[in-house]
Amino acid sequence: DSGVTQTPKHLITATGQRVTLRCSPRSGDLSVYWYQQSLDQGLQFLIQYYNGEERAKGNILERFSAQQFPDLHSELNLSSLELGDSALYFCASSEGQGAYEQYFGPGTRLTVT
Amino acid sequence: EDKVVQSPLSLVVHEGDTVTLNCSYEVTNFRSLLWYKQEKKAPTFLFMLTSSGIEKKSGRLSSILDKKELSSILNITATQTGDSAIYLCAVEAEGKLIFGQGTELSVKP
Repeated sequence: DSGVTQTPKHLITATGQRVTLRCSPRSGDLSVYWYQQSLDQGLQFLIQYYNGEERAKGNILERFSAQQFPDLHSELNLSSLELGDSALYFCASSEGQGAYEQYFGPGTRLTVT
Repeated sequence: EDKVVQSPLSLVVHEGDTVTLNCSYEVTNFRSLLWYKQEKKAPTFLFMLTSSGIEKKSGRLSSILDKKELSSILNITATQTGDSAIYLCAVEAEGKLIFGQGTELSVKP
């Protein structure tokens, strides 16, 4: 158990819908990272927040957005969902702003039908 | 375009064998290289290598960073069936982690 929690574990929804994934980092960690893992694209970095501020952006689509709240939990919002958005979404946390040792949550399995 | 390439993509060995996994990278403003092990769930952190720490060892696992060759290796000695997993290499560059496609290691009894 890494100490990072993610909810929900599984999510099934239809195309065109909007979903919110939630992540709570390890106690004391200020950085939260979001990743997408699909079979054909491997693990892709989406976005990082540090202490409430966006710090780095990766291959995140415009239909996706994220935020980190004052209590440091983070939410990833996915809208206008497409079949290709079906994937495992991981959240990870680390103590500092750099990559350092990132601890991954168990992931949210999103299935878009 | 930044990229991280791992080889081989898959590997099958027998218990007790020694394996070497490779990772090469081409990124702008390299900061660190990280190795992760992914079994059926989330990746778990193994090592982080930077310019100031180019060799790390933990039990049967060890890793070396070669900044001149822009590459790293992960060695696992006396492999066990519990080492079966996907091993991911990631490079931190400009605040982002770029992952390789992973090496799937299968250790047969």
